[in-house]
Amino acid sequence: GQQVMQIPQYQHVQEGEDFTTYCNSSTTLSNIQWYKQRPGGHPVFLIQLVKSGEVKKQKRLTFQFGEAKKNSSLHITATQTTDVGTYFCAPPEGNSGAGSYQLTFGKGTKLSVIP
Amino acid sequence: DTAVSQTPKYLVTQMGNDKSIKCEQNLGHDTMYWYKQDSKKFLKIMFSYNNKELIINETVPNRFSPKSPDKAHLNLHINSLELGDSAVYFCASSQTSGGNIQYFGAGTRLSVL
Repeated sequence: GQQVMQIPQYQHVQEGEDFTTYCNSSTTLSNIQWYKQRPGGHPVFLIQLVKSGEVKKQKRLTFQFGEAKKNSSLHITATQTTDVGTYFCAPPEGNSGAGSYQLTFGKGTKLSVIP
Repeated sequence: DTAVSQTPKYLVTQMGNDKSIKCEQNLGHDTMYWYKQDSKKFLKIMFSYNNKELIINETVPNRFSPKSPDKAHLNLHINSLELGDSAVYFCASSQTSGGNIQYFGAGTRLSVL
């Protein structure tokens, strides 16, 4: 099945510093989704990237999809304590025509922000 | 109104027992899933149901059986619980025509003693 490598596994930053997590695949992805899970919470959808080279922004979060659609990144500018959590990339598997999309979640990057 | 609700939130039980976790979604989605998240936070899909048909069944032990009475519900029944079953189980739903963005329930923390 689809395999993605997500790095780093952990990241500790001082509040106000920037943070980036990377997601790499050995195969071309049709699209990729990103989720955030707060401590003790459940994964929450952030964004979906579909086009080659796509860049999307949500306030301090910038999401990129590589030109070859084999990698993606999430960059947070000037982290805040509210950014704490685990960020997962999740490319889909399967054929939407078959009526099902399985998401293969990366192992996640756990972000800690030191106030 | 909670979009995806699962019960119970916590489940503490003895080895060998049988237990069920219930999940309901009110989003009108056509696909529902069960995920297992272990202590290292790895999220692994266990099952998915689309219009009451099991369409993905990962290599989970047959002690785990999903049951879907209708497309708004997907329950998970576990027989003969083992210590290694301790984890957080998440239910999720998605709509195949909506980019398959998944909406997760709050999770059920299962502890097998």
